[in-house]
Amino acid sequence: SAVISQKPSRDICQRGTSLTIQCQVDSQVTMMFWYRQQPGQSLTLIATANQGSEATYESGFVIDKFPISRPNLTFSTLTVSNMSPEDSSIYLCSGGTSDGYTFGSGTRLTVV
Amino acid sequence: KNEVEQSPQNLTAQEGEFITINCSYSVGISALHWLQQHPGGGIVSLFMLSSGKKKHGRLIATINIQEKHSSLHITASHPRDSAVYICAVRPNKLIFGTGTLLAVQP
Repeated sequence: SAVISQKPSRDICQRGTSLTIQCQVDSQVTMMFWYRQQPGQSLTLIATANQGSEATYESGFVIDKFPISRPNLTFSTLTVSNMSPEDSSIYLCSGGTSDGYTFGSGTRLTVV
Repeated sequence: KNEVEQSPQNLTAQEGEFITINCSYSVGISALHWLQQHPGGGIVSLFMLSSGKKKHGRLIATINIQEKHSSLHITASHPRDSAVYICAVRPNKLIFGTGTLLAVQP
């Protein structure tokens, strides 16, 4: 199955700044997704990253706050913009094919 | 009520014990996934099931589509099995349970 390299693994950021998280897949995947896991909570889908077009966002998530790029079938980025302490979470990317899903190693973000 | 319910939420076992984690869901699905999450946050996909039973090493996953229930079993548990185990179902997108925190003590 595909392997996803996610960077950075963790970061501590100042309030008001932005952080871009990258995911590189070692093979082409049909779908790529971005999730957030707030402390003590289950994973929540932020958006589906669409190749060459705007991402599809879930209710409660907007492009201005979480811009996403997916220039090809193996790479995607998520930016967390204008961060506040409430954005402190684990962010995960995932790639999906008909055979199943592969997940990145996660980015643990702390906003101070 | 959550669409995906896991039990127990927390589980402590002694090394060598047989462990069962349960997952019940309330939506129609095309597949169910069992995932393992380690303290750093990274997730490993253990199984994808649409029917029956799958086995990989000491791990066994079963699903009963009619009863909307799945179980993950770990035989001869080991401290390295300590992690959060997450059940996720796929009607179209993945819906995750809240996870079961497993601690296996030597």
